[in-house]
Amino acid sequence: AQSVTQLGSHVSVSEGALVLLRCNYSSSVPPYLFWYVQYPNQGLQLLLKYTTGATLVKGINGFEAEFKKSETSFHLTKPSAHMSDAAEYFCAVSDPTGGGNKLTFGTGTQLKVEL
Amino acid sequence: DTGVSQNPRHKITKRGQNVTFRCDPISEHNRLYWYRQTLGQGPEFLTYFQNEAQLEKSRLLSDRFSAERPKGSFSTLEIQRTEQGDSAMYLCASSQAAGGFYEQYFGPGTRLTVT
Repeated sequence: AQSVTQLGSHVSVSEGALVLLRCNYSSSVPPYLFWYVQYPNQGLQLLLKYTTGATLVKGINGFEAEFKKSETSFHLTKPSAHMSDAAEYFCAVSDPTGGGNKLTFGTGTQLKVEL
Repeated sequence: DTGVSQNPRHKITKRGQNVTFRCDPISEHNRLYWYRQTLGQGPEFLTYFQNEAQLEKSRLLSDRFSAERPKGSFSTLEIQRTEQGDSAMYLCASSQAAGGFYEQYFGPGTRLTVT
């Protein structure tokens, strides 16, 4: 079984400050890992994914995440927050060995960006 | 590519009534997924199809829930004898089939309120 833990259901940063959203996972096999963003009343949009290869992955809108196997983490960062980054962010894990690539999500982190 | 569409976007129903939601995936995608998202939680996997075959159902999908994808194109999710606990956002996603990971594209969701 797989699971995802997102520390901090709400994170608030100032515009221009570093964004750090935390994600830890549990998986019995080397996982695929994802970050999705959800704006109000919209579906989820993929920000970035780690499948294999380079452990530092870059996504859209200036976000990046690093897969750290030893820490079972996949934290999301952005050097400088913008007002438009305010949204809910979900970390997710998938088992690449089977299960149809279904996603197991964390409970989400609501990001607030203040002036 | 017109994206994944879901109808209706909102549904209010009385306890005990039946409801049906529709999902139209991206046309060339042969995998289709249903997820449920309750307030303050991440999406939870319900079921998925590859073409017209339903390959996996979550334990969350009680006997009152049934999903179909009759011609491997659109899908319907029916809930019979709705309960207040069924109130949630129902998300549909589609992707190409396996052989590596293919991104799941999410629709905007159908928000169900059971009164």
